[in-house]
Amino acid sequence: DAKTTQPPSMDCAEGRAANLPCNHSTISGNEYVYWYRQIHSQGPQYIIHGLKNNETNEMASLIITEDRKSSTLILPHATLRDTAVYYCIVRAARGATNKLIFGTGTLLAVQP
Amino acid sequence: DGGITQSPKYLFRKEGQNVTLSCEQNLNHDAMYWYRQDPGQGLRLIYYSQIVNDFQKGDIAEGYSVSREKKESFPLTVTSAQKNPTAFYLCASRLQVAANTGELFFGEGSRLTVL
Repeated sequence: DAKTTQPPSMDCAEGRAANLPCNHSTISGNEYVYWYRQIHSQGPQYIIHGLKNNETNEMASLIITEDRKSSTLILPHATLRDTAVYYCIVRAARGATNKLIFGTGTLLAVQP
Repeated sequence: DGGITQSPKYLFRKEGQNVTLSCEQNLNHDAMYWYRQDPGQGLRLIYYSQIVNDFQKGDIAEGYSVSREKKESFPLTVTSAQKNPTAFYLCASRLQVAANTGELFFGEGSRLTVL
């Protein structure tokens, strides 16, 4: 599975959009981009995933660049409850090992 | 409701003792995982299992053991051979056969402290 790079921390004002970047320059053609978040001392929660096209669900939007070497998770109207560590990972849909490797993520702090 | 249940939530252990962390899921998921998380760090994979009676080592398997006798259960034993066992342990599962919807579902974690 390809490696990802994320900034260690970001701030966002409550009610504004939070844009969290992720670099995955070595991503392979069959690897998906997944986003999870972890609120302090809880288990991570799935947010969204995508392959090539931009995706949107009730939680967030995922924008993947045309060359697929980077992506951005967008929380359109951040609330205080969105304060968490956000993990970007890439993995093949049918990976031989099914190992899912998490990095250190981005700590998003939503400010009132 | 379907989900993953980890127990205990908090556990204290004396040095030299083995301890077993429970992980049960009723999601009918095929694959199950154990991760370890240290303060300020990401998740590191200990063991994972794709089917019953089969499991593979992750990146930091030394000092740990697992079993997968039932689809819904994947207990983790932290043995006395684990030199630095104090950590937050997370269990997860996913539906193996799904092509692109096999997201991980996590439990709430077990925090182990060695005294």
